[in-house]
Amino acid sequence: KNQVEQSPQSLIILEGKNCTLQCNYTVSPFSNLRWYKQDTGRGPVSLTIMTFSENTKSNGRYTATLDADTKQSSLHITASQLSDSASYICVVSETGRRALTFGSGTRLQVQP
Amino acid sequence: DGGITQSPKYLFRKEGQNVTLSCEQNLNHDAMYWYRQDPGQGLRLIYYSQIVNDFQKGDIAEGYSVSREKKESFPLTVTSAQKNPTAFYLCASTILGGGGANEQFFGPGTRLTVL
Repeated sequence: KNQVEQSPQSLIILEGKNCTLQCNYTVSPFSNLRWYKQDTGRGPVSLTIMTFSENTKSNGRYTATLDADTKQSSLHITASQLSDSASYICVVSETGRRALTFGSGTRLQVQP
Repeated sequence: DGGITQSPKYLFRKEGQNVTLSCEQNLNHDAMYWYRQDPGQGLRLIYYSQIVNDFQKGDIAEGYSVSREKKESFPLTVTSAQKNPTAFYLCASTILGGGGANEQFFGPGTRLTVL
């Protein structure tokens, strides 16, 4: 069964600090991996997408990495801001299927 | 202003009632999806549609129904057969093709509470 596991489940950091969120998946055959940011009570918004051949992708202060051999991805947030407080969801797409496999998310809280 | 809209934002239902959640998009996307989000769980697919007048069941379709009479609209009905309907419901859409790499754009969600 395809699965996407994220860790930690929740995280509290101080404003200005960096953090790294983890995503492990068993989806096969792999097509692509996305990281979404979801503010409380809102729909998710895509941050990055990575395909099999990509191992790093940046979007401002967000940097995603992908190791397709170990089936692991990480999302690194640099110089965190209060507005980074949200849930971050890892989503993996399987080749040839429309359905996506969603992780349960990491809830990040940035405190002043 | 392009995007996906969902209404209402909050919905309260008495047990035994059917309710319909609206989802509209003006992005000219072919495919539309309905997901359910529960605390501590990943999004789960209820139904999806890739073309007008056609739709497919997702992983948790029991107790739900949909229609796709127009490309822009994909309403979801939560029936009384759904045993635990209290959840946050998200609608998404995407263009087809691109080998599955196309982004799914999400609406703002509807929070349904059964009283």
